[in-house]
Amino acid sequence: DAKTTQPPSMDCAEGRAANLPCNHSTISGNEYVYWYRQIHSQGPQYIIHGLKNNETNEMASLIITEDRKSSTLILPHATLRDTAVYYCIVRVAGGYQKVTFGTGTKLQVIP
Amino acid sequence: KAGVTQTPRYLIKTRGQQVTLSCSPISGHRSVSWYQQTPGQGLQFLFEYFSETQRNKGNFPGRFSGRQFSNSRSEMNVSTLELGDSALYLCASSLDFRQGGFQETQYFGPGTRLLVL
Repeated sequence: DAKTTQPPSMDCAEGRAANLPCNHSTISGNEYVYWYRQIHSQGPQYIIHGLKNNETNEMASLIITEDRKSSTLILPHATLRDTAVYYCIVRVAGGYQKVTFGTGTKLQVIP
Repeated sequence: KAGVTQTPRYLIKTRGQQVTLSCSPISGHRSVSWYQQTPGQGLQFLFEYFSETQRNKGNFPGRFSGRQFSNSRSEMNVSTLELGDSALYLCASSLDFRQGGFQETQYFGPGTRLLVL
């Protein structure tokens, strides 16, 4: 599985958009980009995933660059409840490789 | 639809003992994966089961084992507990870990927090 690089921490003002970057320069053509978040002491929560097109759901938007070497998770209107560690993961489709979580980005939403 | 459930939620054991943790996946999900999360090592993959067979395994000693039943429920066992086994153990389920995309999306349970004294 490709490795990912994320900034260790970010701050965002409440009500503003939170843009969380992720670099995955060694991603392969059949690898998906997944985003999870983990609120303190809880299990990771699935947010969104994509292959090469931008995706949007009720929680967030995922923007994947054309070369697929990086992506950005966008929380359009961050709230205090969005304070969490956000993990960007890439993994091959159809394979048995273990899923590797990096260290993630600690997002702190500030009132 | 109920989410992934794990029991017990909290557990205290002493060194040398063994422990069994249980995970019930989301109804219809056939793949169950286990992870260990510690402050120092982050979230590490233990193993994955599908149709009662272990399909993938992380880099953990043989003291860590698991199994999956015909109803997709899974258990993991840790024998001869060590202080370093204190962690949050997370279970995740998905429809199928092979097909790609949505079917591979994993949904996590709340975890079992194990403290080894």
